[in-house]
Amino acid sequence: QKEVEQDPGPLSVPEGAIVSLNCTYSNSAFQYFMWYRQYSRKGPELLMYTYSSGNKEDGRFTAQVDKSSKYISLFIRDSQPSDSATYLCAMNQAGTALIFGKGTTLSVSS
Amino acid sequence: GAVVSQHPSWVICKSGTSVKIECRSLDFQATTMFWYRQFPKQSLMLMATSNEGSKATYEQGVEKDKFLINHASLTLSTLTVTSAHPEDSSFYICSANIRRTGQSGANVLTFGAGSRLTVL
Repeated sequence: QKEVEQDPGPLSVPEGAIVSLNCTYSNSAFQYFMWYRQYSRKGPELLMYTYSSGNKEDGRFTAQVDKSSKYISLFIRDSQPSDSATYLCAMNQAGTALIFGKGTTLSVSS
Repeated sequence: GAVVSQHPSWVICKSGTSVKIECRSLDFQATTMFWYRQFPKQSLMLMATSNEGSKATYEQGVEKDKFLINHASLTLSTLTVTSAHPEDSSFYICSANIRRTGQSGANVLTFGAGSRLTVL
């Protein structure tokens, strides 16, 4: 089993839809959880950063971490065509390198 | 905010030649930078950790003599792909750790824009 599993999609939704992106992981020691957005031929940019369990909201984006289930989610409300990108989850434990998921490709149609 | 600049953004070279990619932290000092490689539709794979003033730490399976990393200053790390071959064609991305106050264990990374290498 890989440390971090993420469905690569692609995921296609109409503009205005609520999008749910998810990752599961196997290492219960992970404490720090991030979501990155990557546009084609560009480096990833940090969207959300969460420490341990709980929810975090930033505008149209909400990140959730459920450590008991080893499951993290990113929700995008009122999705826009400009949200079309690949979304990568990443996580680590203290002082270790980030482990990335494969990324989910999202397409939002107008 | 913290910015990591990477250059060149794309490069095409002949097989057997060497290519250097530069990664600069523009408005902060980065004692540690990370080099990743990304194949199409694949995740980022950590190649090496670059430490200012010391030797880089390479991940298992990464040839240190092929992928030379130099971190001579607090704002510059370079990756040189030596004697490049077509199988080295990939997207190479550097990043730096932006430490968040109170959460010293997190490696919240800021990435460069990436360098797409094509070896003919």
